[in-house]
Amino acid sequence: GQQLNQSPQSMFIQEGEDVSMNCTSSSIFNTWLWYKQEPGEGPVLLIALYKAGELTSNGRLTAQFGITRKDSFLNISASIPSDVGIYFCAGQRLRAGGTSYGKLTFGQGTILTVHP
Amino acid sequence: DADVTQTPRNRITKTGKRIMLECSQTKGHDRMYWYRQDPGLGLRLIYYSFDVKDINKGEISDGYSVSRQAQAKFSLSLESAIPNQTALYFCATSSRLNTEAFFGQGTRLTVV
Repeated sequence: GQQLNQSPQSMFIQEGEDVSMNCTSSSIFNTWLWYKQEPGEGPVLLIALYKAGELTSNGRLTAQFGITRKDSFLNISASIPSDVGIYFCAGQRLRAGGTSYGKLTFGQGTILTVHP
Repeated sequence: DADVTQTPRNRITKTGKRIMLECSQTKGHDRMYWYRQDPGLGLRLIYYSFDVKDINKGEISDGYSVSRQAQAKFSLSLESAIPNQTALYFCATSSRLNTEAFFGQGTRLTVV
């Protein structure tokens, strides 16, 4: 079954508020990624994290790779209406030998609604 | 043109029918994936292929089969469709040296 637990499942916020969502796993991942899916489209990568403890920003988005390598969080500051969508975390492990990446495992997604 | 193209975009089929969803990519990636998206369950991996001759089952492969006809083409088949296979299906690609996966626009399949 699915290995990643993402929360919250949905959020309804006012424009200008900050948003926080997180993802936890029972096992270690080498890479954590955050994707956004807009209606009628496939997911698009927002941020990729490669090292435990890493904190990375992309505009108003900030994500961190947990020290235990079993969790990650995504923050969105000063939300705007175009932030609406479904946000997915994904974990990835290195394949045996450590020279290439394996398959992606996704969380259940967080549905974000922003009220103007 | 999209880098990852899925056909058809929408399909309604009857229970028991065989259906094939197709995916082609122009990114030159060696890896291709099929995911299924259901509300509240996120994206679940059906099958993945790391190379033309390397095809693997994902977490929910029962009732599905795949064919990697070429590096750029990866098709998903439902041999005998059933209503609980109604879902949004995504194809994705990646390279072995990069974490980022690129997704197609999805195929909305309804089995009645």
